[in-house]
Amino acid sequence: DAGVIQSPRHEVTEMGQEVTLRCKPISGHNSLFWYRQTMMRGLELLIYFNNNVPIDDSGMPEDRFSAKMPNASFSTLKIQPSEPRDSAVYFCASSPPSPLRGYTFGSGTRLTVV
Amino acid sequence: GESVGLHLPTLSVQEGDNSIINCAYSNSASDYFIWYKQESGKGPQFIIDIRSNMDKRQGQRVTVLLNKTVKHLSLQIAATQPGDSAVYFCAEIETGGSYIPTFGRGTSLIVHP
Repeated sequence: DAGVIQSPRHEVTEMGQEVTLRCKPISGHNSLFWYRQTMMRGLELLIYFNNNVPIDDSGMPEDRFSAKMPNASFSTLKIQPSEPRDSAVYFCASSPPSPLRGYTFGSGTRLTVV
Repeated sequence: GESVGLHLPTLSVQEGDNSIINCAYSNSASDYFIWYKQESGKGPQFIIDIRSNMDKRQGQRVTVLLNKTVKHLSLQIAATQPGDSAVYFCAEIETGGSYIPTFGRGTSLIVHP
């Protein structure tokens, strides 16, 4: 099992550019979560999907952020336009239908907006 | 080891010592708790969990204690090793609710050889 796979591992972009982060959940997991981690705020839940359907996006900071899950094996988090304050590590996690213990994080994407 | 303000609490120990990392949770309805370890450049990884019907659970070199009365959780690491250096997070889950973990701010553990 390759675990939750995120790409890219690092992204440096200029302010105003569009950024797309990608996630492949563990096969068989039906829930997917996007988190943002900063020193100031810790781990923040941005949005989560259940069976490819967005359930709660109340954590998405602004309309500049959007997330999609077109199928069970792929999700994207897009920031357009990006701003320096979006610099953070973005984690994707997935969990199976019985989520206890099965909640698994990817290795994250470190985003730097200059 | 509790979170204060915006700064990440830090615990420094010598190799071989026992470490205790503390966590205060907020939701009295939470009935499942997990400790995660996050090493530099990696995502949080599951260490040990405990249900609210228990007050102690032991794993390999780790023990989690739960005090529901004061909503407090602790992680004890025996014979701490340099490889234990990481940020440790507790997470609380209300299994009768959304099943979404709520994470604490984390404690940085530094083990000196």
